[in-house]
Amino acid sequence: DGGITQSPKYLFRKEGQNVTLSCEQNLNHDAMYWYRQDPGQGLRLIYYSQIVNDFQKGDIAEGYSVSREKKESFPLTVTSAQKNPTAFYLCASSMGRANTGELFFGEGSRLTVL
Amino acid sequence: GNSVTQMEGPVTLSEEAFLTINCTYTATGYPSLFWYVQYPGEGLQLLLKATKADDKGSNKGFEATYRKETTSFHLEKGSVQVSDSAVYFCALRNDMRFGAGTRLTVKP
Repeated sequence: DGGITQSPKYLFRKEGQNVTLSCEQNLNHDAMYWYRQDPGQGLRLIYYSQIVNDFQKGDIAEGYSVSREKKESFPLTVTSAQKNPTAFYLCASSMGRANTGELFFGEGSRLTVL
Repeated sequence: GNSVTQMEGPVTLSEEAFLTINCTYTATGYPSLFWYVQYPGEGLQLLLKATKADDKGSNKGFEATYRKETTSFHLEKGSVQVSDSAVYFCALRNDMRFGAGTRLTVKP
């Protein structure tokens, strides 16, 4: 079955540690995205990528980093510079350019900083 | 610029009640419009979409009509069920951003 796989589903981190969230898609989509969702809030765009080896900052990129070495993979690193990293992180992908077409979402990764 | 304004929640209804969640947009041109649904602890799923003016998207008893005159894409359902409890997001597809969403709770 085609889809987007995020891992881990739950992650606990101590303050000062970096953590990497995995996002893999087998839909052959060109564009991939990372969103952050806080309790009772909407989605905020962290980073997006329209093509391999290229990515753009979204609205809240500070304290995060990404890479796009392969079309199917778009990992997100939450660095120690992110002041309030506890949140629900959603990865998505879409066919074609980043501003067209339906978004397909993974099931999310919930990060808790202890 | 492009944006959507979505009815703020939360919305609480009794089972079998009629649902309307308002969504208006500002956009250049005529972008596709989408409604996504997020069930507790999950990612978003596409609920329905409309790609041009006067199109009606429908799925699972939900409907929304792309109205150019009023720049609206309101979500409706004639009879909600407890299983419809979720957060609903309206989105423009020439903008990667989402609004705050509307939380719907349906009580038996």
